[in-house]
Amino acid sequence: EAGVTQSPTHLIKTRGQQATLRCSPISGHTSVYWYQQALGLGLQFLLWYDEGEERNRGNFPPRFSGRQFPNYSSELNVNALELEDSALYLCASSLARGLTDLYTEAFFGQGTRLTVV
Amino acid sequence: DQQVKQNSPSLSVQEGRISILNCDYTNSMFDYFLWYKKYPAEGPTFLISISSIKDKNEDGRFTVFLNKSAKHLSLHIVPSQPGDSAVYFCAASADNDMRFGAGTRLTVKP
Repeated sequence: EAGVTQSPTHLIKTRGQQATLRCSPISGHTSVYWYQQALGLGLQFLLWYDEGEERNRGNFPPRFSGRQFPNYSSELNVNALELEDSALYLCASSLARGLTDLYTEAFFGQGTRLTVV
Repeated sequence: DQQVKQNSPSLSVQEGRISILNCDYTNSMFDYFLWYKKYPAEGPTFLISISSIKDKNEDGRFTVFLNKSAKHLSLHIVPSQPGDSAVYFCAASADNDMRFGAGTRLTVKP
């Protein structure tokens, strides 16, 4: 079974440009999370999508946005790129919690390394 | 908002000894806690978890302890091995919304 896949693996953009990052969750997973890991920092929560809707967002400016498609894949868009946006962007997917109250773990992709020059 | 905190950015232990990684959280709504391990150039991988109805969960060399009253959890690795050297993230979940700590870099010296 394929894991979480992210594309591209690496992305180099110029300051002021827009970046689009993509994530395909594990088959059957409906929740997608986006995290930013800047150099030397931990995982910073960006966005959470479930069933096509944005459920929560972290403390990031509005130029960080995204969406989730009907097939549960997701896109993260970063507009007006700044140098400090250079980071590893990780996507994770998980099953939504079911009625049996079973907890599941999120599975991560390998990330997209965004470099803003 | 740092709802999940790992106050030690790094930890170094000798092979064979115990590694103890700590994590504190502030949101009492969190009801599920996880530890992830991350090697360079790879995504984090799930290690072990615990629900709020338990205070201990063990899986081989890894044990997670949860102290709800203190809003504190810890990961014990016994015995530590050089291959355990990685960054460890703790995560807390409430209704499928997960938040991570900043991570602790564990180095196990041979």
